[in-house]
Amino acid sequence: SQTIHQWPATLVQPVGSPLSLECTVEGTSNPNLYWYRQAAGRGLQLLFYSVGIGQISSEVPQNLSASRPQDRQFILSSKKLLLSDSGFYLCAWSIVRGAGIYGYTFGSGTRLTVV
Amino acid sequence: DQQVKQNSPSLSVQEGRISILNCDYTNSMFDYFLWYKKYPAEGPTFLISISSIKDKNEDGRFTVFLNKSAKHLSLHIVPSQPGDSAVYFCAASAIYSNTGKLIFGQGTTLQVKP
Repeated sequence: SQTIHQWPATLVQPVGSPLSLECTVEGTSNPNLYWYRQAAGRGLQLLFYSVGIGQISSEVPQNLSASRPQDRQFILSSKKLLLSDSGFYLCAWSIVRGAGIYGYTFGSGTRLTVV
Repeated sequence: DQQVKQNSPSLSVQEGRISILNCDYTNSMFDYFLWYKKYPAEGPTFLISISSIKDKNEDGRFTVFLNKSAKHLSLHIVPSQPGDSAVYFCAASAIYSNTGKLIFGQGTTLQVKP
């Protein structure tokens, strides 16, 4: 069975510090990978997605970047955090096949507070 | 540009009654729709999905209806239980793109009262 791991669960970082959040998927090959953010009181916003190693697409202009160094590893980074980067970050994976999307399972999330 | 909209931020129903959560979309290229349930500080969990080739999909107490002409979908929960209390998100995707990326609505907080 497939599992997705995301860490850390919570993080408090000062403004201007770097960020690295990691996500790994087990039990599947060549998944699509995604980073979402849920800001306080708001819906889920897609930040980045990747359809393969080294392939990153950005959905919104922002202070963050993403990388996919291995097939089942997805990393969200920032060189200098802003207060507005605070939020709940979620990683997800899927397989698109035929007329359906399979999997689309989310990790447990990282609560990032920038102070 | 909010392509997926859940216009009701909250909904309160009595245990045992029907809960109806609504969702509208604007992009006619969307052809796959999903509903997720989310508790605070947790990742969303998948509930049910529907392809645009169908107008109804049922799974236990959960039924999703799709009206393509109106660009509207709804989630029915019957009977509602207190454990159903959570935030519900609808999401849409365009399968043809092969990216699988989902566009989410803002969510509706459902409270089921005992």
